[in-house]
Amino acid sequence: NFMLTQPHSVSESPGKTVTISCTGSSGSIASNYVQWYQQRPGSAPTTVIYDDNQRPSGVPDRFSGSIDSSSNSASLTISGLKTEDEADYYCQSYDSGNWVFGGGTKLTVL
Amino acid sequence: EVQLVESGGGLVQPGGSLRLSCAASGFTFSSYGMNWVRQAPGKGLEWVSYIGSRITTIYYADSVKGRFTISRDNAKNSLYLQMNSLRADDTAVYYCARLPTTDFDYWGQGTLVTVSS
Repeated sequence: NFMLTQPHSVSESPGKTVTISCTGSSGSIASNYVQWYQQRPGSAPTTVIYDDNQRPSGVPDRFSGSIDSSSNSASLTISGLKTEDEADYYCQSYDSGNWVFGGGTKLTVL
Repeated sequence: EVQLVESGGGLVQPGGSLRLSCAASGFTFSSYGMNWVRQAPGKGLEWVSYIGSRITTIYYADSVKGRFTISRDNAKNSLYLQMNSLRADDTAVYYCARLPTTDFDYWGQGTLVTVSS
């Protein structure tokens, strides 16, 4: 079964840039679009990146997504970190009738 | 405004059954695929089931196949999840989520299901 692996946690200071990786277990991660969701405590997830690198309206351009086929991974980059960015982030993709989420990465901004 | 409101969660004994509902409003419900996604306490997101707009396509995660049944009533703008043979590891917040193409663009607030004796 296709799986997505994320680092358990990352931390960075306000104003800095952080990148969260999401590595596919098999096949090509570029075969299906990757989405990224932000989830704050007690709230439902919201989309910050869809279709690999597209931002929904209302999501600041500090958020960007990319795909690296050579490492079979996707990345979420957040620049100019703000304390409000502190949350859990999940990558998600699709494979043969299954929607797959990564295990989630806790971003701490301190 | 798109709204998804889940209901039907609660405490149930192992082996028991529960039926979740999701009431949709603010969009043409019959035009969208819908999903159930769950999150165990302190854990990550897990996709559970998908139903296409015309009900002809249904998928389940292996973890619930044969025990859970997804359905929808487009006339009532409602999504359902019938959960049978519940186990302790089914304990989670269950979200309904809309799927227009590739991303889950709207989520409900979730309903908590606790399986315990």
